[in-house]
Amino acid sequence: TQLLEQSPQFLSIQEGENLTVYCNSSSVFSSLQWYRQEPGEGPVLLVTVVTGGEVKKLKRLTFQFGDARKDSSLHITAAQPGDTGLYLCAGARWGGSQGNLIFGKGTKLSVKP
Amino acid sequence: DAGITQSPRHKVTETGTPVTLRCHQTENHRYMYWYRQDPGHGLRLIHYSYGVKDTDKGEVSDGYSVSRSKTEDFLLTLESATSSQTSVYFCAISGTGVGTEAFFGQGTRLTVV
Repeated sequence: TQLLEQSPQFLSIQEGENLTVYCNSSSVFSSLQWYRQEPGEGPVLLVTVVTGGEVKKLKRLTFQFGDARKDSSLHITAAQPGDTGLYLCAGARWGGSQGNLIFGKGTKLSVKP
Repeated sequence: DAGITQSPRHKVTETGTPVTLRCHQTENHRYMYWYRQDPGHGLRLIHYSYGVKDTDKGEVSDGYSVSRSKTEDFLLTLESATSSQTSVYFCAISGTGVGTEAFFGQGTRLTVV
């Protein structure tokens, strides 16, 4: 069962364009995280959002957590080739197995110069 | 960088042979995870551990077993490797609490021939 749906699965854009990646679920999460993974490496955390409606900015990246804590978006302004990679969202669930993260399948972003 | 090491980094093995992958952490984190990553499937949880000798199954646990005899080590064993287990395996660690983040190892590329 895929609890976190990411879209789009693939995205190829030109340098300077803006883009938004979505992470949606029918489940409520205690927090949601975004990771970036480069080829041959493990995913690296970009940001964690905890409060419903929260917006966080990391340079040209803007992350938003939905009011109902079920979805999130990642917006990149003026994309650069260095933004190329696989972007993964992950939701943390309450109770039961505390600390268990559910990952989406990822969005593979390619930014062409 | 979080102290998490996977070994080996690459392995080729024959069908039917046992294989053990090792994950070692120096962060004293409570939770440890094993994921596999395959094209089109994203990161899928195999097993996880929430303490010494405390483990539980994930989404794709069939054909895999784990052991955690010490806080710092989490072993993944393929009792009898099959070609369907050819994949990239990632170990991750995390602490406790809302918003806890996961730190990943660099991955083990396993090929079963």
